[in-house]
Amino acid sequence: NAGVTQTPKFQVLKTGQSMTLQCAQDMNHNSMYWYRQDPGMGLRLIYYSASEGTTDKGEVPNGYNVSRLNKREFSLRLESAAPSQTSVYFCASSALAGSNEKLFFGSGTQLSVL
Amino acid sequence: SQQGEEDPQALSIQEGENATMNCSYKTSINNLQWYRQNSGRGLVHLILIRSNEREKHSGRLRVTLDTSKKSSSLLITASRAADTASYFCATDSDDMRFGAGTRLTVKP
Repeated sequence: NAGVTQTPKFQVLKTGQSMTLQCAQDMNHNSMYWYRQDPGMGLRLIYYSASEGTTDKGEVPNGYNVSRLNKREFSLRLESAAPSQTSVYFCASSALAGSNEKLFFGSGTQLSVL
Repeated sequence: SQQGEEDPQALSIQEGENATMNCSYKTSINNLQWYRQNSGRGLVHLILIRSNEREKHSGRLRVTLDTSKKSSSLLITASRAADTASYFCATDSDDMRFGAGTRLTVKP
């Protein structure tokens, strides 16, 4: 089992460029999440999808859009990248939404916006 | 929804010593989870403790929960260099939020 797979692992963008971060899980999980991690800030939730067909904003959704393409895949899009979006992005999944469920994380995407 | 806050921010100990990290939160919870993150990797789930539990063990890990003080602690006994990582707590909500973590360094 691959678990949670994120692509790409590294990306450099220029300000104003767009890109999509891909995430796929093979555990038949219902819920998926996108976080960003900045030094000293811990993880901050960008968007999540409690189940296929639903998405909700987290703490820091501005500048991002998401698509729950199907049960396996949850993508994060930056329409017009800004230097403030330089960060490490993590995708995660859980069997269900809610506190009884543990999260499984991907290995992250390191994004630099110049 | 809410997030836990870990303390200390950083902890450095010698191999073989015990390491204790704390997590505080603000409102009532049903569950609290602890995760570990090795450098450059995603988080890995360690343990979940429910609000009606006071203590839970998993190998060298011991987690306590004091709902009256709204706090939890993670104890790693007989630490090893491989325990060097950041440790995070997460409190319950539909959207799972994390604190800034405790960075643990175990010196060989």
